[in-house]
Amino acid sequence: DGGITQSPKYLFRKEGQNVTLSCEQNLNHDAMYWYRQDPGQGLRLIYYSQIVNDFQKGDIAEGYSVSREKKESFPLTVTSAQKNPTAFYLCASSRDNNQPQHFGDGTRLSIL
Amino acid sequence: AQSVTQPDIHITVSEGASLELRCNYSYGATPYLFWYVQSPGQGLQLLLKYFSGDTLVQGIKGFEAEFKRSQSSFNLRKPSVHWSDAAEYFCAVNNNAGNMLTFGGGTRLMVKP
Repeated sequence: DGGITQSPKYLFRKEGQNVTLSCEQNLNHDAMYWYRQDPGQGLRLIYYSQIVNDFQKGDIAEGYSVSREKKESFPLTVTSAQKNPTAFYLCASSRDNNQPQHFGDGTRLSIL
Repeated sequence: AQSVTQPDIHITVSEGASLELRCNYSYGATPYLFWYVQSPGQGLQLLLKYFSGDTLVQGIKGFEAEFKRSQSSFNLRKPSVHWSDAAEYFCAVNNNAGNMLTFGGGTRLMVKP
C-alpha cells in the first residue's frame, strides 16, 4: 500500500538536545511538507520541499531544520533553539503544490 | 494573504441529525478548497476537494460541500451523522498559484447517542 510513514509515534527530548523526526513516502510525490499542530491552533507550516535537494521555510521555521536528499524522505530536526517544541508534528506529501496533500499519522514530541 | 476561518470551535449533534460545518475564506480569486478530517492522535484524511466546475462536491463517508463564491464559503454537510463521525474537521485553501495550503483552526465534532 502506498502511503506516508512517520516515526517514531512518540518522542521525548531532553533540554538542549536535537531530535530528528522521520518521514518517508512511497507515493512518488514530488512535494513534501512538515506541519506543527498545537491544540486550538490548527496546522502551521514549518518547512516544505517541492523537489529533491531544495526546500523553503514555512511560517514557523525558526528552531527547525530539514533535508531532502531523496525524493521519498524528508526528515525534520527539532534543534535546541526551538524553545517550545512540545507539539504534534505532521508530515504530508503531494504530487505538486496544487494537489491534495496526503498525511502521515504524526509524531508527538514531548520534553523530559 | 489568504486566510481560512472556521467560526465554530466545537459542535455537538445527536446521532442521526444533520450536520453543517462552516468555513469562510479570504482570497481574491477562486481558490482550491479542501476539507480534511482528523481522528485523535492520527493524521488528516481528505474528505473532499473543490477545484472548479459544479459547486456542490461529493466526498467520502457521505459528506458533501458547497462552494458559494458570493459568500466566500465552503461549508461541509452531512444529512445524517453517525457516532463514528466524531472527530476534528479542517477546512483548507490553496490559491492555485503554487502557494501552500492555509488551514482553518478546526471544528471539533461530538456526537451524542
